[in-house]
Amino acid sequence: KAGVTQTPRYLIKTRGQQVTLSCSPISGHRSVSWYQQTPGQGLQFLFEYFSETQRNKGNFPGRFSGRQFSNSRSEMNVSTLELGDSALYLCASSGVGDGTQYFGPGTRLLVL
Amino acid sequence: GENVEQHPSTLSVQEGDSAVIKCTYSDSASNYFPWYKQELGKGPQLIIDIRSNVGEKKDQRIAVTLNKTAKHFSLHITETQPEDSAVYFCAASKTGNTPLVFGKGTRLSVIA
Repeated sequence: KAGVTQTPRYLIKTRGQQVTLSCSPISGHRSVSWYQQTPGQGLQFLFEYFSETQRNKGNFPGRFSGRQFSNSRSEMNVSTLELGDSALYLCASSGVGDGTQYFGPGTRLLVL
Repeated sequence: GENVEQHPSTLSVQEGDSAVIKCTYSDSASNYFPWYKQELGKGPQLIIDIRSNVGEKKDQRIAVTLNKTAKHFSLHITETQPEDSAVYFCAASKTGNTPLVFGKGTRLSVIA
């Protein structure tokens, strides 16, 4: 089975711009979670989607949003980028509700 | 909410020695405890997990122990090899549809 894929792998943006990241989960997985990883804060939960509905949300500002499509693929969007948004954005997919999450390789975002 | 503390933050061992990483959690309702290994430029890889109905789980050179009364769990790696060098993260959650809460990570260096 193919693993979780994320595109693009690297991205450079400037302050004020917006960005969209994409995640394709493992085939058959319906839950997709997004995490932000930074050296200072570690891995922090952004949000989780299940069957096209946001099921859980972390403590991030409204500039961070996401959605899930009927094929379980997910996108996250960050509007009005700030320097502090520079991070590795990780997507994880999960199958039947036992909580086991499998991560993709991440998208490294650099905001200049 | 849940809080996960992980120690030590860095660990150096000689090849062939054992390595132990410890985590404590705060929410007694947590019942799922995975460990992830993250190599440079990659996403976290699930290496072993344990649920609260067992006290220990082994997979070749890797073992995890859980003490629910004390609310701590540990990762044990025996006969370490250079390829074990990576950053290891512990996490906790309630099974089902709750997000993972991660520790800050341990950078393990195995010296040949």
